[in-house]
Amino acid sequence: NAGVTQTPKFRILKIGQSMTLQCTQDMNHNYMYWYRQDPGMGLKLIYYSVGAGITDKGEVPNGYNVSRSTTEDFPLRLELAAPSQTSVYFCASSPGPSNPTSSYNEQFFGPGTRLTVL
Amino acid sequence: AQSVTQLGSHVSVSEGALVLLRCNYSSSVPPYLFWYVQYPNQGLQLLLKYTSAATLVKGINGFEAEFKKSETSFHLTKPSAHMSDAAEYFCAVRPFSGGYNKLIFGAGTRLAVHP
Repeated sequence: NAGVTQTPKFRILKIGQSMTLQCTQDMNHNYMYWYRQDPGMGLKLIYYSVGAGITDKGEVPNGYNVSRSTTEDFPLRLELAAPSQTSVYFCASSPGPSNPTSSYNEQFFGPGTRLTVL
Repeated sequence: AQSVTQLGSHVSVSEGALVLLRCNYSSSVPPYLFWYVQYPNQGLQLLLKYTSAATLVKGINGFEAEFKKSETSFHLTKPSAHMSDAAEYFCAVRPFSGGYNKLIFGAGTRLAVHP
């Protein structure tokens, strides 16, 4: 298993450009997540998905969009890049609890995409 | 809202010394708790987790953490630091409620190990 893969590893964008960060997992996980990591701030949840066709906003969704057409893929779209979106982006996945009240599920992380907007 | 506080954004220890990274959470109901490690230019990797089975949890690479409900703490320790432990460490909490396995992360503690 490759686990969670992300492309590209690095990208520099100009203000106003758009791009899609790709995320794929081969573990057949139902749940997928996008985080951004800023220095000294930990990880903030941008969007998440509990299954194909179902997505929802996290803490910091503004300026981003997602889609989940398959179980494996969860791309993150930046439509009009802004300097405030300079960050490291992590995709993660987890199996999803079989019993929501008693089980937990570890999140598995990809290696990240380092994005700079100038 | 639940939160996670990691005391000390930077910790420096000598090789062979005790490592202690502090984590406190705010929750009226004991949540699930995690420690993740991030090596330079890599993603996060799970070190250990507390899921209400045992209060002392052992993880990978010789790390362990103790859940103390009375102190709302989940501090990470390792008896003897190794140079390879230099990394950033994140404490995270999964609230008891919430159907999408939400994690709330602390700001992180960067551990430096010097000879």
